Amino acid sequence: DQQVKQNSPSLSVQEGRISILNCDYTNSMFDYFLWYKKYPAEGPTFLISISSIKDKNEDGRFTVFLNKSAKHLSLHIVPSQPGDSAVYFCAASAGTSYDKVIFGPGTSLSVIP
Amino acid sequence: DTAVSQTPKYLVTQMGNDKSIKCEQNLGHDTMYWYKQDSKKFLKIMFSYNNKELIINETVPNRFSPKSPDKAHLNLHINSLELGDSAVYFCASSQPLLAGDAKNIQYFGAGTRLSVL
Repeated sequence: DQQVKQNSPSLSVQEGRISILNCDYTNSMFDYFLWYKKYPAEGPTFLISISSIKDKNEDGRFTVFLNKSAKHLSLHIVPSQPGDSAVYFCAASAGTSYDKVIFGPGTSLSVIP
Repeated sequence: DTAVSQTPKYLVTQMGNDKSIKCEQNLGHDTMYWYKQDSKKFLKIMFSYNNKELIINETVPNRFSPKSPDKAHLNLHINSLELGDSAVYFCASSQPLLAGDAKNIQYFGAGTRLSVL
């Protein structure tokens, strides 16, 4: 029962171009969404988040868009840099229990110099 | 200075053995977690402790027993290891700004790769 889905296991993008990572969720109770980035042999690190009362949140090169009606969110990275090559996890939590975060399977991003 | 540290980094053991993974955080957080990343790469929560009290206990075999001696430590003990326990186990901690604060950003350790032979 995958409540958070990332249907693209991998993505390759040229340096300088935009990277778009997608995430879909099924649980309508989710009201807070996070993106984590993970390098090999390290733990995930928090990147950016968005509350369901917003449809966009921006932090430098990273922007997360939320479409509640479609239960879809996306992470945009502009411009992409080789150091952005990592696995990106989409995650979600519900107001009933913010401690319980549900993670997607991740998308491996490769930024080609 | 590592914020969330877990030991060992690698653990190779035989089926049927008992093993422990230790986790310590120096962030002063009240809440700690154990996650399992399986072969399909899903990160699934196993347990969560808040100030040494168990608050989340997902459907995990009772061969897995977390122990929190204080709020800075959350250890995971696994009895009678099985092949299916092979995975990467991540410890994490968090400190919501306010009770029920949605900004529950979790800080993860580097993971322990467990291989059961």
